[in-house]
Order: sequence, then structure tokens, then C-alpha cells
Amino acid sequence: SQQGEEDPQALSIQEGENATMNCSYKTSINNLQWYRQNSGRGLVHLILIRSNEREKHSGRLRVTLDTSKKSSSLLITASRAADTASYFCATDLRGAGSYQLTFGKGTKLSVIP
Amino acid sequence: DTEVTQTPKHLVMGMTNKKSLKCEQHMGHRAMYWYKQKAKKPPELMFVYSYEKLSINESVPSRFSPECPNSSLLNLHLHALQPEDSALYLCASSPSPRNEKLFFGSGTQLSVL
Repeated sequence: SQQGEEDPQALSIQEGENATMNCSYKTSINNLQWYRQNSGRGLVHLILIRSNEREKHSGRLRVTLDTSKKSSSLLITASRAADTASYFCATDLRGAGSYQLTFGKGTKLSVIP
Repeated sequence: DTEVTQTPKHLVMGMTNKKSLKCEQHMGHRAMYWYKQKAKKPPELMFVYSYEKLSINESVPSRFSPECPNSSLLNLHLHALQPEDSALYLCASSPSPRNEKLFFGSGTQLSVL
């Protein structure tokens, strides 16, 4: 079953605006990761946040994690047309065996020039 | 070299054909993965190799047969596939099987006629 649920499923914004995507999960995690996928291509790792971290930054990306609400958000600031892609959260479930990285359903982001 | 290379990029096969997908990485990673991704869906884990040994088989039908000849190579042998097996097949690797950052290839788009 899917562990992560992204919200919204699709998001369309103007270039220069900020984009926020949310991910909710159901069980305890060791870490949560965000990946980006251009259409029909492989996934690219963006950022990893551990269960004992609350916020992390990488360039124009800001990720927050609220373990009490079992949710995370990905903020992309000053969006560009090149940010158009699908974004997936992926959770490493605590207590599960190794290798069990589970992907959410994804948010499709369209940035209009 | 920080790439995971998958070949072929596209594959069309009949239900009676035998074909193989190939994945290669030269980053010294000791965990390699096969994922299956249907259109507009998240990637789903199929197999995990850890230190060249099959660690996880996520109840994948026997018409999919993985092979890890050495630490740099991962193959997926296909035989007697069904049209519903048409999907993007993604290979990934990670330094160790600890659910940290995955490096993905660009995938093989498979169509079964």
C-alpha cells in the first residue's frame, strides 16, 4: 500500500511564484526523501530529511517535517519553467527491513513561463 | 562517473519474445534495485540486490528474472510477458542498502504487444 500521499495531485503556477507540495504518511519513519521526475525519465534525488530534523534547505528548496502530524512539505521558491516535473516523497519505514523505500503518488507541477 | 546507465531506452516485444534489460553503474554502489512504473503512478519496487545477492523479491511474477553478474551490472530478463507489463522499468543504485539517496537510471520504456 502507498505510504506517502502527496497533495495536491497537480499544481500549476506562474514562473517566479513559490510552489508548495505536501506529503502525508501513516507510520513512523527513519527518513523522508523528495525526488523529482521529468516526464518519462528517471527520478532525481532532491533532499533527505531525517526523523529528528524539522527543516532542511538546499538552494531554492525548503523541506519541513512534522513527525507529530506525519507530514512533510516541499517548498520551491522563485519557480522556473525548468522546475516543471512530477515530485514524489519517499519514506523509509521504521521497523521495516532495509531497502523498503516507498514512494507516494506524486504531485505534477507545471510552471508557466 | 555518477550515472546509472540503462539500455535499451525503448523496447517493443511480443508476448512470446525473450529480452533483457541492462543496468550499469560504476560508482561502487553495493545495492541495486529494479522498479516498475506505470503511467501517472509512483515507482513500485520489484527486486533488490545487496552485495550481489538477491535480498528482496516483491512477489514479482516469474516471467521477470533478475540477475546481478557483478557489483556493477544488473539485468532483468523478460519472458512471456503480458500487455499489462508495459511500463517504464527503472534501475537504481545506492552506496549501501540503507534507504538513503537512490541514483536512478533514465529507464527502459517497455511495450508488450
